[in-house]
Amino acid sequence: QTVVTQEPSLTVSPGGTVTLTCASSTGAVTSGYYPSWFQQKPGQTPRALIYATSNKHSWTPARFSGSLLGGKAALTLSGVQPEDEADYYCLLYFGGAQPWVFGGGTKLTVL
Amino acid sequence: EVQLVESGGGLVQPGRSLRLSCSASGFTFGDYAMTWVRQAPGKGLEWVGLIRSKAYSGTTEYAASVQGRFTISRDDSKSIAYLQMDSLKTEDTAVYYCTRDAATTEDFDYWGQGTLVTVSS
Repeated sequence: QTVVTQEPSLTVSPGGTVTLTCASSTGAVTSGYYPSWFQQKPGQTPRALIYATSNKHSWTPARFSGSLLGGKAALTLSGVQPEDEADYYCLLYFGGAQPWVFGGGTKLTVL
Repeated sequence: EVQLVESGGGLVQPGRSLRLSCSASGFTFGDYAMTWVRQAPGKGLEWVGLIRSKAYSGTTEYAASVQGRFTISRDDSKSIAYLQMDSLKTEDTAVYYCTRDAATTEDFDYWGQGTLVTVSS
């Protein structure tokens, strides 16, 4: 059973910078895992932020960026805004019979 | 404007069946794989399964938790994807979302608003 691990919770001050990570139980995450990141606020539908490691959607604020960092996928928020408080989920591609697996999510608090 | 609208959710008894629909508009439905994702109350997102486009043989894949009980299909003429859920269990209670995926980019860009399925006696 493949497991994708994220920090359960993180806290950041307004204007600060925070990095969320996404690790795979199978080993280092590479671009071949097509890491995606999604933001979900309470009572709302998930919103896509990043795909294929670092690609942004037209609606993704510039302060969000995706990368690979130390064998993990990473989502960095620079200049955090109060409205960035949300749950963030990563999604990795493993191929095979169950090709996609979500991480458990990170609850980001802006305080 | 791209839109995905799920329907068909509701209250169902354990062991029974339910079929969800995902109606799409605003894009060429047949060009995209369609994926189902669910979220149990207060829990995280769980990938449920996908159906590829006809260009990729229209094949399906499923999470281990639903393999053999859930079936995904599509009707490109109607721009609808379906999730047939059989032998439902209480742990299948969740909001079910559909999302599209362009195989060339592996990008789940648009999501529906979700439909709630409650499995309870």
